[in-house]
Amino acid sequence: DQQVKQNSPSLSVQEGRISILNCDYTNSMFDYFLWYKKYPAEGPTFLISISSIKDKNEDGRFTVFLNKSAKHLSLHIVPSQPGDSAVYFCAAAVGNEKLTFGTGTRLTIIP
Amino acid sequence: KAGVTQTPRYLIKTRGQQVTLSCSPISGHRSVSWYQQTPGQGLQFLFEYFSETQRNKGNFPGRFSGRQFSNSRSEMNVSTLELGDSALYLCASSLMASGLAKNIQYFGAGTRLSVL
Repeated sequence: DQQVKQNSPSLSVQEGRISILNCDYTNSMFDYFLWYKKYPAEGPTFLISISSIKDKNEDGRFTVFLNKSAKHLSLHIVPSQPGDSAVYFCAAAVGNEKLTFGTGTRLTIIP
Repeated sequence: KAGVTQTPRYLIKTRGQQVTLSCSPISGHRSVSWYQQTPGQGLQFLFEYFSETQRNKGNFPGRFSGRQFSNSRSEMNVSTLELGDSALYLCASSLMASGLAKNIQYFGAGTRLSVL
């Protein structure tokens, strides 16, 4: 049972445009959400997080939006840069329990 | 400060064998978690250790086990390997034990296991 879903395996975006990565979840108990980025041959690195008490969190070019009623999480990257090309994983957790990861979306930024 | 180190980077085994993977966390980090990454399945949580005790466990069979030593280094063992165990195994460390999700996890580059 995949409680965290990333329905788009891949996404291509022109450099300078906005990249929007989406994530849906089924467990309404999730109260903390994170995004990780992974380059080939490297481990995932933390990008940004959001608590369920918020609906938006911003860090530079990265903004995460949380829509609890729709059980939907999105990551916006503006403007997109070639170095943003990577696999992005969303993850969620209930309280202090383990992280549940999505299957990942491969983002390719086209110069 | 050195990052999370996983050894070996690549491993080839045959069905029925057993394997041990090693993880050295960032200095000062006491929590170590293990994940399995396969195409189409994302990162699946295996288990988490803190102060040599297993605190959380994922839905994997008993063939998968782990342990943590007093210096926080951790090992993961898989016995009676199956073809489906072929995957990238990732180790992550974090500073504190409480609030697993709310503590940023730092990942190693992983060990790619191929079972033939």
